[in-house]
Amino acid sequence: DQQVKQNSPSLSVQEGRISILNCDYTNSMFDYFLWYKKYPAEGPTFLISISSIKDKNEDGRFTVFLNKSAKHLSLHIVPSQPGDSAVYFCAASGGGADGLTFGKGTHLIIQP
Amino acid sequence: DGGITQSPKYLFRKEGQNVTLSCEQNLNHDAMYWYRQDPGQGLRLIYYSQIVNDFQKGDIAEGYSVSREKKESFPLTVTSAQKNPTAFYLCASSIELGFLYNEQFFGPGTRLTVL
Repeated sequence: DQQVKQNSPSLSVQEGRISILNCDYTNSMFDYFLWYKKYPAEGPTFLISISSIKDKNEDGRFTVFLNKSAKHLSLHIVPSQPGDSAVYFCAASGGGADGLTFGKGTHLIIQP
Repeated sequence: DGGITQSPKYLFRKEGQNVTLSCEQNLNHDAMYWYRQDPGQGLRLIYYSQIVNDFQKGDIAEGYSVSREKKESFPLTVTSAQKNPTAFYLCASSIELGFLYNEQFFGPGTRLTVL
């Protein structure tokens, strides 16, 4: 039973436009959410996070939105750049130093 | 340079052999983790350790074992009991125990192929 779902395996966006990656979760105990970016054969790199007490967090071109009532979060990348082409993983935690629960990832392709 | 190292990058083993994957961090992080990634899948938690000499099973611990004798090191042994050991293995660490919100920092990964 998947507790963190990324329903779009891939997404293609034109360079300069906005990329929106979505993530849904089912476990109401999750209170901290993270987005990671991953290139093939490399480890994921942390992008941005949000705690459940907030509904938005911004860092440069990256913004994460959290809708707790809908158990939904999204990552917005504006403007999209060629180097943004990668697999993006949504992850969730119940807090503390236990492990993260990951979605299956969305492969973002930025078209020139 | 602080970071997490995993060695080797690629590892080949014959079926039935145990193999140990190395993970070292110099970030002074308390917590360390092992994940496994399969094609088209997210990362699944194998084991984690919140402090030296203590570790907990994750979602898919069967066929794996770990040790945490030093803060810097968290080796993973893939035993012959693991039915599908071929995968990409990722080690991660996070900051001090008790900190509520922990970003995890990942190593470069080891691709294990069992022939």
